[in-house]
Amino acid sequence: EAGVAQSPRYKIIEKRQSVAFWCNPISGHATLYWYQQILGQGPKLLIQFQNNGVVDDSQLPKDRFSAERLKGVDSTLKIQPAKLEDSAVYLCASSLALVGYEQYFGPGTRLTVT
Amino acid sequence: AQKITQTQPGMFVQEKEAVTLDCTYDTSDQSYGLFWYKQPSSGEMIFLIYQGSYDEQNATEGRYSLNFQKARKSANLVISASQLGDSAMYFCAMREGRRYSSASKIIFGSGTRLSIRP
Repeated sequence: EAGVAQSPRYKIIEKRQSVAFWCNPISGHATLYWYQQILGQGPKLLIQFQNNGVVDDSQLPKDRFSAERLKGVDSTLKIQPAKLEDSAVYLCASSLALVGYEQYFGPGTRLTVT
Repeated sequence: AQKITQTQPGMFVQEKEAVTLDCTYDTSDQSYGLFWYKQPSSGEMIFLIYQGSYDEQNATEGRYSLNFQKARKSANLVISASQLGDSAMYFCAMREGRRYSSASKIIFGSGTRLSIRP
């Protein structure tokens, strides 16, 4: 069974530029999560989708971050414009709707904003 | 408010010894879940073990066991017979709310870096 796929793995941009990350969850997983992990910290949930609907986006900085999950499968997370403090690893995870406690994570995208 | 605390930023352990990673939590919910994830240097988070708040027995998965003390609000991870491949960051996490609910929230602690010496 294929795991959670993410791309790109690494991205370097200048502040005020925009960037987008892509995630393809495990086939059949209805729930998809985006996390931000700043160096030395645990992951922080940014947004959670159930199929193509948003369940929780309370910690998403909506003035600059946006996310969508068209057709309830893959998802994109966008930052526009980026700030220096957005430098982090962005992790995508998915889980079966009925087994919500176990999340499977992708390899992450390491973003550096200069 | 929901909170996870891991007080050990780093630990060194001799290979084949057992190691305990500490985790305390705070929640006002009666229904919650606790889990541990391993994050090797490759960056991917790997699920290790889960304990539900109503589970009467401590969870075990191979060399991993969770020492759940509900009254103390602690959920320590015990790794028996440590191996070099166990060197990684370990995160404790808590799910507040009902199990199987898509609306339940998950928060992570700050992690413990475990290094196994040969």
